[in-house]
Amino acid sequence: QSALTQPASVSGSLGQSITISCTGTSSDVGSTSHVSWYQQYPGKAPKLMIYEGSRRPSGVSDRFSGSKSGNTASLTISGLQAEDEADYYCCSYVTLSILFVFGSGTKVTV
Amino acid sequence: EVQLVESGGGLVQPGGSLRLSCAASGFTFSYYWMHWVRQAPGEGLEWVSRIRYDGGTTRYAHSVKGRFTISRDNAKNTLYLQMDSLRAEDTAIYYCATDLDWLLFDNWGQGTLVTVSS
Repeated sequence: QSALTQPASVSGSLGQSITISCTGTSSDVGSTSHVSWYQQYPGKAPKLMIYEGSRRPSGVSDRFSGSKSGNTASLTISGLQAEDEADYYCCSYVTLSILFVFGSGTKVTV
Repeated sequence: EVQLVESGGGLVQPGGSLRLSCAASGFTFSYYWMHWVRQAPGEGLEWVSRIRYDGGTTRYAHSVKGRFTISRDNAKNTLYLQMDSLRAEDTAIYYCATDLDWLLFDNWGQGTLVTVSS
């Protein structure tokens, strides 16, 4: 199972909006609602930011939103803040294989 | 508050074995599936394994199938990962994670580093 494809880096200015794409196939992203997104600071454990494509866990800022179209999922960060500078990973459940595949990761620079 | 504390990492020679533990608290451990996820130095995240709340079902990534065994002791609120026939490419930080809301990783431990080297 190959990793999902994410841009290596995305940058934006304070207050701007950015979108990170996560491209898979019809076997993973395209065939499941179970796509999630994780934020990771250097040296720290990942944190769940979005699940089931667009749902936010309690405590996660509403500046973070998720969507999906076909084989591509997206994470949008609006009103970019300095604290959003981190690595972001998408993850998809692969229904037929009963396993999970992560994206390659995107470094967000503010 | 959910807390996950991994332990058992360290330096091991290629072909060797290691057992990781993850002590869980702050939730009803025996109700939920649990995962192991790893991250090689400077690399991305890789899902490793998953176990059902009662230990009755386990799943593995292709890269570790046949070499790693996930298990749990619900009486001790502890998750385990037995790693055998270790290879250099297994070098990584290993995280345990909860799956409280189904097919996701909603709480993570701080990780334990496994280094496979001669």
